[in-house]
Amino acid sequence: DVKVTQSSRYLVKRTGEKVFLECVQDMDHENMFWYRQDPGLGLRLIYFSYDVKMKEKGDIPEGYSVSREKKERFSLILESASTNQTSMYLCASSSPQGGGQPQHFGDGTRLSIL
Amino acid sequence: DAKTTQPPSMDCAEGRAANLPCNHSTISGNEYVYWYRQIHSQGPQYIIHGLKNNETNEMASLIITEDRKSSTLILPHATLRDTAVYYCIVRVAFDGGATNKLIFGTGTLLAVQP
Repeated sequence: DVKVTQSSRYLVKRTGEKVFLECVQDMDHENMFWYRQDPGLGLRLIYFSYDVKMKEKGDIPEGYSVSREKKERFSLILESASTNQTSMYLCASSSPQGGGQPQHFGDGTRLSIL
Repeated sequence: DAKTTQPPSMDCAEGRAANLPCNHSTISGNEYVYWYRQIHSQGPQYIIHGLKNNETNEMASLIITEDRKSSTLILPHATLRDTAVYYCIVRVAFDGGATNKLIFGTGTLLAVQP
């Protein structure tokens, strides 16, 4: 089974802090994604990566950056955390192989910015 | 915007089959149908996907109509642990662009009753 592991289930930080969210997948997937999920807004794509050191902006990249130094690890960075970044953050990975391979998600990190 | 329509909620008796419908009347020829579910406070869990043919795996069956405008997810013997929000999503196979983000609609809240 695919395993996507996010480093923390719950995290509390203060405004202005630099926050790192880590995600690791064990299926050698090329594609990795960061979403945030908010009530009434569904999932929104922040960044994605289709190869090591490659990154592409999603719909809401402002205030975030990412890092992919190794294939299995994709990090989301909140440069200077703000209260409007309080949310559930979800990491996903997928293979680019044919057949419409699905994205597999981690359990999420519920981040609170005080 | 989500391209699918699902009923907001359904009930099912434990041990009975749960049949969850999804309408995707504007689906394109190269778009797959994916089903995910999300149990409260967890990340979305991939269930099954298909393009044209019916599919079955250890979790569920997916029935796609011949015109591909609708589909049904079948959980053959629902248990209390199947209580979750179920999302039906249509999407093209990954092509390296942000268009491959997953767009979750409001889904169907399936309540399995003892």
